[in-house]
Amino acid sequence: GQNIDQPTEMTATEGAIVQINCTYQTSGFNGLFWYQQHAGEAPTFLSYNVLDGLEEKGRFSSFLSRSKGYSYLLLKELQMKDSASYLCAVTDSNYQLIWGAGTKLIIKP
Amino acid sequence: IAGITQAPTSQILAAGRRMTLRCTQDMRHNAMYWYRQDLGLGLRLIHYSNTAGTTGKGEVPDGYSVSRANTDDFPLTLASAVPSQTSVYFCASSGTANTGELFFGEGSRLTVL
Repeated sequence: GQNIDQPTEMTATEGAIVQINCTYQTSGFNGLFWYQQHAGEAPTFLSYNVLDGLEEKGRFSSFLSRSKGYSYLLLKELQMKDSASYLCAVTDSNYQLIWGAGTKLIIKP
Repeated sequence: IAGITQAPTSQILAAGRRMTLRCTQDMRHNAMYWYRQDLGLGLRLIHYSNTAGTTGKGEVPDGYSVSRANTDDFPLTLASAVPSQTSVYFCASSGTANTGELFFGEGSRLTVL
């Protein structure tokens, strides 16, 4: 079956750096997405990786290794507003989007 | 600019009642989706539409139906609601099916008693 694994919850300190990992086993691969979802709100797009390597966008970066079925989202200079759930999603060979359960990130002062 | 709008925002419904969740987008996106989100589970696809006039079943379609009469609207109907359909429902759209960024509505919180 198809599966995406992410840690359920992580805690980090304001101003620090945190890395949220995502591993996937899917039938084929056509891209990996990261979304942010604040409590009670809709998910919003953060990043998209289809080739191996690091994509940087301000304080957020996303890395992909297709051979390892692995991605991470790196958040730098953490702010309180970064407290949210981070969702990893993979597009498989049929272009179906498979979602992980999300990682709840708690930022402490 | 509205983007994608869902209604109602929240609803309490008696079991056995019929309910339609409305979704409208003004981005002229071809693809639209309905997801449900339950605690501890990832977003689960209920139904989708890659273009106006076509629909398809997702991972959890039972008990739900959709229609796509035009590009902008994609309503989700629960013919006879059951308590297991208590969830938060998100409508989403994308310019291209499953390869593009998804834009989500604000969600509809449905409670079936």
